[in-house]
Amino acid sequence: AQKVTQAQTEISVVEKEDVTLDCVYETRDTTYYLFWYKQPPSGELVFLIRRNSFDEQNEISGRYSWNFQKSTSSFNFTITASQVVDSAVYFCALSYGSGNTGKLIFGQGTTLQVKP
Amino acid sequence: DSGVTQTPKHLITATGQRVTLRCSPRSGDLSVYWYQQSLDQGLQFLIQYYNGEERAKGNILERFSAQQFPDLHSELNLSSLELGDSALYFCASSAGGRTSRPTDTQYFGPGTRLTVL
Repeated sequence: AQKVTQAQTEISVVEKEDVTLDCVYETRDTTYYLFWYKQPPSGELVFLIRRNSFDEQNEISGRYSWNFQKSTSSFNFTITASQVVDSAVYFCALSYGSGNTGKLIFGQGTTLQVKP
Repeated sequence: DSGVTQTPKHLITATGQRVTLRCSPRSGDLSVYWYQQSLDQGLQFLIQYYNGEERAKGNILERFSAQQFPDLHSELNLSSLELGDSALYFCASSAGGRTSRPTDTQYFGPGTRLTVL
């Protein structure tokens, strides 16, 4: 079965702390795609990153970085020097291979609160 | 701004009623997806259309239906509404959908918050 687990329901940090959001996925397909989306208090879902199963390179974008490890089926997201504006719910999602049209399977989300 | 528009932003209605949610995809995108976000179920895929044709169905109730029109906008119809249908309904769009490889990123609209009283 295809599944995404975000074990951390809520995380609270103080501004400027680094924080890592965990994501573990399950799929039997060899071709799949992993995503992170951000849902700020205003409610919209904002795309952050997409990674395919053939590319295990880590990615850094400003204060954001992602660590993809197929050996542990994990796709973790780190925010460096967190800011109050990072407060949001973060979702990890999976889209898998053959026979699938691209529907996303979401984790339950991690609520991040960054305090000033 | 993702480029995906949804109307209305908020909808309040009573049990037993029928409502229609509307979505316009990003310019050039052929695929439209509908998702439901509720407190107990989280974010769940409902249905996908590609260029006017239904492509995939998820956990969509029989009381719910959708369609995609020739101009590529999509509507989600919810009927015989129940209290449990109260949720945030998202539309997303992506470029493709004809191939079986889910290569495209989905961009989400702002959502329609439905409250059933």
